[in-house]
Order: sequence, then C-alpha cells, then structure tokens
Amino acid sequence: LAKTTQPISMDSYEGQEVNITCSHNNIATNDYITWYQQFPSQGPRFIIQGYKTKVTNEVASLFIPADRKSSTLSLPRVSLSDTAVYYCLVILRMDSSYKLIFGSGTRLLVRP
Amino acid sequence: DTAVSQTPKYLVTQMGNDKSIKCEQNLGHDTMYWYKQDSKKFLKIMFSYNNKELIINETVPNRFSPKSPDKAHLNLHINSLELGDSAVYFCASSLGGDGNEQFFGPGTRLTVL
Repeated sequence: LAKTTQPISMDSYEGQEVNITCSHNNIATNDYITWYQQFPSQGPRFIIQGYKTKVTNEVASLFIPADRKSSTLSLPRVSLSDTAVYYCLVILRMDSSYKLIFGSGTRLLVRP
Repeated sequence: DTAVSQTPKYLVTQMGNDKSIKCEQNLGHDTMYWYKQDSKKFLKIMFSYNNKELIINETVPNRFSPKSPDKAHLNLHINSLELGDSAVYFCASSLGGDGNEQFFGPGTRLTVL
C-alpha cells in the first residue's frame, strides 16, 4: 500500500521560490497526485493535480519524475499569504474502487 | 453562496452521547466525502459516497454511520462518543470520484468531554 512522506515544515522568505517534495512509494502508473493547501480553521483547498512530467497552473507547478516515486510542488515567488499547510494526496485505483491517501502535511512559513 | 456547508461548526458534548453532523453541497457533484483531521493535522478519509452509494468505507468504528438522503447531502452520525473522537471533521465533494478536485467544507470541530 502506498505511503506518502512530506517534510514537517519549511521556512521561506517573500519572493522566493518554494519547492515541497512528497515521496510516495508503490504508486501505480495510473494514479493521480494532487496537492492541497490549508489555512487555519479552513478546509483544504485544491492547488494542482498531475499524472506525469510537469503540470503548471496560475498558482503552482507540479513536477513528477519518470519513476513517480515523488512529486514536487513548486510555488513561485511566495508571499506572506502562502503561509499554510500543504498536503499531497495520492489516489490509488483498485478494481472498481480507489483509496485516498493524504501526506502528513508540510507547514510552510513565509517570512517578510 | 457557500459551495459545501457543514453544521454545526462547533460541537461540544459529553462522552457517551450520540451526535450528528450535517453536510450539504450545492455544486451538483456526484461524490461526497467525510474526513477526520486530528490534533496533529493528519487528514484521514472515513467515507465516500457516489450518487448516494457508499464507495469508500475506511476502517472506522461502526459507531460512525454516514447517511446520504440524496446526492447533495451526506450526514455523519456518531454513537456513543468517546474522547478520541475529538477532532475536526471535514465534508468534501467532487464531480465524480477517484481523483477529481475536491471542494471542502469549513469543518466541524467536535470536542468530547
């Protein structure tokens, strides 16, 4: 069964690029990798999702190497408002069902 | 307009009581979920329903029983509450399951005394 591992916390400064990596062993070739952002006292919010190589949207990029044993969320030029907890989510497809496995979350602190 | 709403936002109760948390989504989604987030912020899925049918049922005590009267609602009933049930419970919905973007509710903070 796949397990996800993320760093517990990261510090950064405004304007820097932040890369958060999630390791996920045993992920099958047809599993999505999704990242969510959570602010205190709020529900998680979708950031980006990918299947392979690179995906980019207006807020982030997601890099997935060929072996798919990890994925990296890249936040360009972070601001104070990016201080939050970031979760990776792996979806495992099983016959007619699927399992959702969240990482333990990475607490990002952006300093002025 | 709130997309995914939960009631109540806070719930404080005594051990042994039975309580329910309600969830409604107005996004027209087919799939709804219940998650538990503990004090260490770990997010764990409990249940998922697709068009009122249970499709994910993780290993949770059978004191927890989800009920989906229609595809816009997924309620969570908890019997015989225990101290360890204290957590934040999040409802979410998505257009279809297995990986589609999930929209989360604001959470219900349950405190069992």
